[in-house]
Amino acid sequence: DAGVIQSPRHEVTEMGQEVTLRCKPISGHDYLFWYRQTMMRGLELLIYFNNNVPIDDSGMPEDRFSAKMPNASFSTLKIQPSEPRDSAVYFCASSPPAAATIGDGYTFGSGTRLTVV
Amino acid sequence: AQSVTQPDIHITVSEGASLELRCNYSYGATPYLFWYVQSPGQGLQLLLKYFSGDTLVQGIKGFEAEFKRSQSSFNLRKPSVHWSDAAEYFCAVGARSGANNLFFGTGTRLTVIP
Repeated sequence: DAGVIQSPRHEVTEMGQEVTLRCKPISGHDYLFWYRQTMMRGLELLIYFNNNVPIDDSGMPEDRFSAKMPNASFSTLKIQPSEPRDSAVYFCASSPPAAATIGDGYTFGSGTRLTVV
Repeated sequence: AQSVTQPDIHITVSEGASLELRCNYSYGATPYLFWYVQSPGQGLQLLLKYFSGDTLVQGIKGFEAEFKRSQSSFNLRKPSVHWSDAAEYFCAVGARSGANNLFFGTGTRLTVIP
């Protein structure tokens, strides 16, 4: 298995532009998590899905952020409009059903480094 | 609510020396505890985990961690560090019920000098 695949690896965009981050989870994993990593706040859970349905989006910082999972093999995290304070590394992780309830077996992607100038 | 504290932001050790990375957690009951490692430009990889039973758990790459309930700690150790261990290490807490996610500490960056 190729693991959790995120694209792009790096994204540089201008303030005000729309940014879309993509994630392909491991086949058979029905939990998907989006995390954001910054120096100031460390790793924060933004949102997670179970069977393509958003379960908890309380970590999404504001309405500029949205996430979708149209099918079991694809998820997007969109920021519109982007701001410099959104600069961070965004990680996607997936997990099989039995493991996710206790945090076991999360597989992380390599992340997308977003820079908003 | 659970939280994790990693008091050491950056640690430098010599290759071959022993290592201990500190982790303290706050949780109303016994949580699930994890250590992850992040190499530069990579995602997080699970090193080891504690769910129950023996409080000394073994992980990959020669790492171990000990759960101490009285100290609310889950420190990571390795008897002899290799240059390839240079990375960022994260302690994480998972609740035994409720939300299905992990709370991460802010990480400890390990530098290994020859």
